[in-house]
Amino acid sequence: AQSVTQLDSHVSVSEGTPVLLRCNYSSSYSPSLFWYVQHPNKGLQLLLKYTSAATLVKGINGFEAEFKKSETSFHLTKPSAHMSDAAEYFCVVSTSGTYKYIFGTGTRLKVLA
Amino acid sequence: DGGITQSPKYLFRKEGQNVTLSCEQNLNHDAMYWYRQDPGQGLRLIYYSQIVNDFQKGDIAEGYSVSREKKESFPLTVTSAQKNPTAFYLCASSSSGLSNTGELFFGEGSRLTVL
Repeated sequence: AQSVTQLDSHVSVSEGTPVLLRCNYSSSYSPSLFWYVQHPNKGLQLLLKYTSAATLVKGINGFEAEFKKSETSFHLTKPSAHMSDAAEYFCVVSTSGTYKYIFGTGTRLKVLA
Repeated sequence: DGGITQSPKYLFRKEGQNVTLSCEQNLNHDAMYWYRQDPGQGLRLIYYSQIVNDFQKGDIAEGYSVSREKKESFPLTVTSAQKNPTAFYLCASSSSGLSNTGELFFGEGSRLTVL
């Protein structure tokens, strides 16, 4: 069975400081992993995805994530937060060949001026 | 521009009424999905369709119905049997179908409020 756990429901950072949003997953097979961002009353936008290529994945808006199989983690990072990064972030796991996408419960990022 | 269009963006319904949410995509994707989003619960799958004229129940299908008569369209009907329909509804599509897993592409969502 697959599952995904986002370890923090809320994260607050100051503008210009690093961002770390944590995600652990469980999957019986080689997973595909995704990070999405959602602004209020909007749909979800893909930030980046891991599909068994390079373990360090670079995404849009300066975000990146590292797939660590031994730790079953896929944490999202950004070196310097911007006010526009304030949003909700979802970690998603899926398995090749299935329809099933498992969503974490989300992490709300607040960026302080 | 290619994408997914959901309508209406906001919808109010009286108890006992059925409502239909529209979802149209021009990405030529085979698979389409409907998710429900409630605060603090992430996204939950209502229905999905991997091909025209076929669809499957997701985790919370009770009180909902769908159709897939065209590849581009996947409307969702929220029936009066749905006990707590107030939520944000998201439509998505992917090119995976039965082959490999690609990312989901999302519409902008429809917010349904029951009065």
